[in-house]
Amino acid sequence: DAGVIQSPRHEVTEMGQEVTLRCKPISGHNSLFWYRQTMMRGLELLIYFNNNVPIDDSGMPEDRFSAKMPNASFSTLKIQPSEPRDSAVYFCASSFTQGLQETQYFGPGTRLLVL
Amino acid sequence: AQSVTQPDIHITVSEGASLELRCNYSYGATPYLFWYVQSPGQGLQLLLKYFSGDTLVQGIKGFEAEFKRSQSSFNLRKPSVHWSDAAEYFCAVTAGYNTDKLIFGTGTRLQVFP
Repeated sequence: DAGVIQSPRHEVTEMGQEVTLRCKPISGHNSLFWYRQTMMRGLELLIYFNNNVPIDDSGMPEDRFSAKMPNASFSTLKIQPSEPRDSAVYFCASSFTQGLQETQYFGPGTRLLVL
Repeated sequence: AQSVTQPDIHITVSEGASLELRCNYSYGATPYLFWYVQSPGQGLQLLLKYFSGDTLVQGIKGFEAEFKRSQSSFNLRKPSVHWSDAAEYFCAVTAGYNTDKLIFGTGTRLQVFP
């Protein structure tokens, strides 16, 4: 299995620009998670989907952030407009959820730098 | 609210020495507990998890963890550390029933000297 695939791996952009991060979960998994990791705040869950439906988006910082999962094999996290404080590593993770808390498999992350 | 505390930000050990990483949690009922490892530039990988039953849990790479309800702890241990174990280690607890959300600790960075 290829694991969770994220693109791009690195992104450098200027303040005010739109940024789109992409994630392909492991085939057969039905839950997908977006995390943000920074030195100051550690690892935070932004949003997670189950069967393509957003379940908990309480971690999404503000209206500048949006996430979609149009089908079981693809998700995007968009930041518009981007700000320097959005600089972080963004991880996508997926799992096969069937009742009990299941193992989340993480992608390699997208390192975002907003200048 | 559920929370996880990892008191040690940074630990340094010699190769071959034993290791214990501390994790304390706050949770109103029986928690689901996890340890993940993150190598530099990589995503997180699950080492082990505890849901119920035997309080001593075995994981990958020779790691184990013990759930102690009386101490609200879930410490990670390894009897003999290898240089390749140098990484950041995260303890996590489920945010509650009927949710897949995890609450992560701030992590412990492990450095291994030859």
